[in-house]
Amino acid sequence: AQKVTQAQTEISVVEKEDVTLDCVYETRDTTYYLFWYKQPPSGELVFLIRRNSFDEQNEISGRYSWNFQKSTSSFNFTITASQVVDSAVYFCALSEVGRYGGATNKLIFGTGTLLAVQP
Amino acid sequence: GAGVSQSPRYKVAKRGQDVALRCDPISGHVSLFWYQQALGQGPEFLTYFQNEAQLDKSGLPSDRFFAERPEGSVSTLKIQRTQQEDSAVYLCASSLEGQGGAGPSPAREKLFFGSGTQLSVL
Repeated sequence: AQKVTQAQTEISVVEKEDVTLDCVYETRDTTYYLFWYKQPPSGELVFLIRRNSFDEQNEISGRYSWNFQKSTSSFNFTITASQVVDSAVYFCALSEVGRYGGATNKLIFGTGTLLAVQP
Repeated sequence: GAGVSQSPRYKVAKRGQDVALRCDPISGHVSLFWYQQALGQGPEFLTYFQNEAQLDKSGLPSDRFFAERPEGSVSTLKIQRTQQEDSAVYLCASSLEGQGGAGPSPAREKLFFGSGTQLSVL
């Protein structure tokens, strides 16, 4: 069965601190996609990143970076120099690979981590 | 429109009432998804449309849940005889393309979510 675990329910940091959000996943598939989404108080989920399972290169986008380790089934997300605007719930998600190699977008989400960045 | 639009934003229903939730995807988007998000939980997949075809409804929790997208654009999620356990936020998402034969494309497959309809069943 597929499962995504985000063990951190809530994290509180002070602005400019670095913070890492953990994500551990389970799947029997050899190929799959992993995602991170941000859910601000307004409610809509905002796409942050998608990785496929055969690309283990870490990625950096501005203050955001992601560490994908297939050996430990983890896909952790780090925010460097956090800002108040980063306050939101962050979800890690898993998707099967579809018939033509893309993500099915039938996402399995974790329970989310609420990040509160204090000024 | 500029984004995925859902209405109503909030819906209060008495137990046993029927409700209809509307989703307007981004114009031209082929794929449309419905997700259910209970309080404090991650979203859970309900159903998937490619144009007007409902290709996957494996996540619908019971036969009281019904979704349609008759013209391949606007979609409606209907819940009959609502129960308290149906209380949740219902999220709609769309993407430009479904699982196309051209191969994977992060840009075409990127999901855009609406702000959801918060359903409270009393």
